Amino acid sequence: DAGITQSPRHKVTETGTPVTLRCHQTENHRYMYWYRQDPGHGLRLIHYSYGVKDTDKGEVSDGYSVSRSKTEDFLLTLESATSSQTSVYFCAISEHNAGTGGLETQYFGPGTRLLVL
Amino acid sequence: KNEVEQSPQNLTAQEGEFITINCSYSVGISALHWLQQHPGGGIVSLFMLSSGKKKHGRLIATINIQEKHSSLHITASHPRDSAVYICAVRDGGSQGNLIFGKGTKLSVKP
Repeated sequence: DAGITQSPRHKVTETGTPVTLRCHQTENHRYMYWYRQDPGHGLRLIHYSYGVKDTDKGEVSDGYSVSRSKTEDFLLTLESATSSQTSVYFCAISEHNAGTGGLETQYFGPGTRLLVL
Repeated sequence: KNEVEQSPQNLTAQEGEFITINCSYSVGISALHWLQQHPGGGIVSLFMLSSGKKKHGRLIATINIQEKHSSLHITASHPRDSAVYICAVRDGGSQGNLIFGKGTKLSVKP
């Protein structure tokens, strides 16, 4: 299994509070992703990173910010949590394949269940 | 219209049956992924393919680029195959971001 951990694994918070989720990898992969998974939807990309300090928005980035100060850590912050951000959050990592010029498969973390009351 | 459509949404099979899950997509892609999500929530990558067919154990994945269609087959299904199977395509014009289908929930009865 790829070395990806997420913390916390479960969190209950109140509307309006800030929340930070952490993704940590030991694989030294360049690309890191944050997704959310909700009933009736496929996994949706929130933000991604293609290197230290290099990040970009995904499909559902409103209300979220990210930071990547080290290769191994990718942080997702909800500045002021809302009930619509109740979800399961997955981190994933990937690497560039120099031979094919494309990206290799993505490896997923165990997920964080967030409940915003 | 969703860019990645999976069918069926739900599938119940008896142990030993041959299972097929379908994935159709509407965008140009550089690769297609099949993922498995266990009842506990963990997501595992099964295949990444851009042409032809790949096989791993009892799992076979095929892709037809011209028809924009992929299938995941499970031979001699077993209750431990019960999971949600997710198709995802990598947009050929992006940083390699994936677009996911909603998944197919498979239940294999003993």
